[in-house]
Amino acid sequence: DTAVSQTPKYLVTQMGNDKSIKCEQNLGHDTMYWYKQDSKKFLKIMFSYNNKELIINETVPNRFSPKSPDKAHLNLHINSLELGDSAVYFCASSQDSGLAGYEQYFGPGTRLTVT
Amino acid sequence: LAKTTQPISMDSYEGQEVNITCSHNNIATNDYITWYQQFPSQGPRFIIQGYKTKVTNEVASLFIPADRKSSTLSLPRVSLSDTAVYYCLVGPFSGGYNKLIFGAGTRLAVHP
Repeated sequence: DTAVSQTPKYLVTQMGNDKSIKCEQNLGHDTMYWYKQDSKKFLKIMFSYNNKELIINETVPNRFSPKSPDKAHLNLHINSLELGDSAVYFCASSQDSGLAGYEQYFGPGTRLTVT
Repeated sequence: LAKTTQPISMDSYEGQEVNITCSHNNIATNDYITWYQQFPSQGPRFIIQGYKTKVTNEVASLFIPADRKSSTLSLPRVSLSDTAVYYCLVGPFSGGYNKLIFGAGTRLAVHP
């Protein structure tokens, strides 16, 4: 059983388009995250979300927005895509308490290529 | 979160023990140390976490000296499948996991 799943695995699109990446977790976790891993392989958190609050990394452009229809899903919407948005995007989840928050389960990633 | 420094890369051979050391000179009293592993084309995977002395699980051991300014991840008898990037993260007990930044990590290559 897949713990954290993402779709699609690959996404190729043109500049200016709007796209979404879906994420689902079946672990019963109450916090979900989105990370971006760029071409230099640095992995940086973009959003952290639970039913109490959304924490946004201040460097994330407002073209990016997380949407959570329920506790098991956190989708990533990206408007007006730019070349620099090309990267691998990872979804993750964890419990929202103390040290458990550091034990995050990651999805397989979505490789986004903007042309 | 406390800044961490790790070697960029390491090489080893199958069957050897590998020790990866992470420096975190500015670690705070309530900070914990967490290690992740990332295989190519996959998301990171939590390996181990600790506060002081020694922690061991089925995958690895984590050694933390008394001053806690460094930590060492020990992988016993590595195999080719242990080839991955290993990340050391340091953060407080509460709330730090919302701000995780994975640095460059240590790229471990295990050779036959």
